[in-house]
Amino acid sequence: QKEVEQDPGPLSVPEGAIVSLNCTYSNSAFQYFMWYRQYSRKGPELLMYTYSSGNKEDGRFTAQVDKSSKYISLFIRDSQPSDSATYLCAMSAHNAGNMLTFGGGTRLMVKP
Amino acid sequence: DADVTQTPRNRITKTGKRIMLECSQTKGHDRMYWYRQDPGLGLRLIYYSFDVKDINKGEISDGYSVSRQAQAKFSLSLESAIPNQTALYFCATSDRSEHNQPQHFGDGTRLSIL
Repeated sequence: QKEVEQDPGPLSVPEGAIVSLNCTYSNSAFQYFMWYRQYSRKGPELLMYTYSSGNKEDGRFTAQVDKSSKYISLFIRDSQPSDSATYLCAMSAHNAGNMLTFGGGTRLMVKP
Repeated sequence: DADVTQTPRNRITKTGKRIMLECSQTKGHDRMYWYRQDPGLGLRLIYYSFDVKDINKGEISDGYSVSRQAQAKFSLSLESAIPNQTALYFCATSDRSEHNQPQHFGDGTRLSIL
């Protein structure tokens, strides 16, 4: 079993929909949680970065962390065709020297 | 200009050839990383370096070597390429800090080994 699990999709939604992307993990030492967005033929781009549990909001994006359930989510409100990309979750433990463990990525398609 | 630059962007080569992928950064970060990405497997760490004199193996280092020529430059070599090394390769950097800092990626090298 992988340390970080992520549904590969593809997830197809109409423009304007609320999108929910999720990752589960098994290592209780993870404390730093990130979401990266990767467009085709580009490198992963940091979208959200949270520490420990709770919510963080940035524009149309909200990241949630539930450490008790070992579950993190990324919500996208009012989704746009430009949100079509692969979304990767990543996480690391404290004192892990910035070492990240990645999920396999979820491919999202937002249709106009 | 990109903060993390990888060259070449694409490379097609034959089994047994030696290949070098290069990465340079203008972010002033101490830490640099090499990953490979395969469909459905996410990013897997090959090697990482916390400063010029520090080199560490990652999850999948067999068949690869690296050189940290300067703080801003980190290269990845495949000494004798094999077809299952066909993948997307990414370089990343991060800042040294008390708290874990996120990594910043280049746009990758698409490597095909025939």
